[in-house]
Amino acid sequence: KAGVTQTPRYLIKTRGQQVTLSCSPISGHRSVSWYQQTPGQGLQFLFEYFSETQRNKGNFPGRFSGRQFSNSRSEMNVSTLELGDSALYLCASSLAISAGANVLTFGAGSRLTVL
Amino acid sequence: GESVGLHLPTLSVQEGDNSIINCAYSNSASDYFIWYKQESGKGPQFIIDIRSNMDKRQGQRVTVLLNKTVKHLSLQIAATQPGDSAVYFCAETSYGGSQGNLIFGKGTKLSVKP
Repeated sequence: KAGVTQTPRYLIKTRGQQVTLSCSPISGHRSVSWYQQTPGQGLQFLFEYFSETQRNKGNFPGRFSGRQFSNSRSEMNVSTLELGDSALYLCASSLAISAGANVLTFGAGSRLTVL
Repeated sequence: GESVGLHLPTLSVQEGDNSIINCAYSNSASDYFIWYKQESGKGPQFIIDIRSNMDKRQGQRVTVLLNKTVKHLSLQIAATQPGDSAVYFCAETSYGGSQGNLIFGKGTKLSVKP
């Protein structure tokens, strides 16, 4: 069974630009979560979607947004990019949103570099 | 490969030895804990979990120990292999709570010498 697929794997942007990252969850998984991973801050939660609705949001500015489609695929967008947005963006899917009963399966991530 | 973290604590072990990776968690209300393994160029992968009503849980070559008194978690890997080289994260949350409430530790890099 295919895992979580994230595209693009690598991208380079300049300050002020925007970026859209895509995530295809495991077939049948309806919950998608996004995380930002940096050497300094580690893994930080961005947001979580279930059935096309944002269920939870981390402590990130409004420049970070996301959405989920009816087929459970998700996108996240970062507008007005800053140097500090350079990071590995990880998507994870699970059957449902509750921790414990549903293990998170992560994709390989999208590596964003902002110049 | 991609660097997950440049300033992580590192544990270096000889192939065949046992490894112990430690983690201090922050929230005394957390009752569910998970260990993840992240290899270079990949996302974190679930290894093993434990609920707070247990002190120990064993998997295949891995054992997780939980000490709630001192808010400490450890992951033991038996007969460490080169394929175990990775960054290991612990995560804490409330069982049944939102996945978004997962709090990840900073990680420990395990390096296995052949």
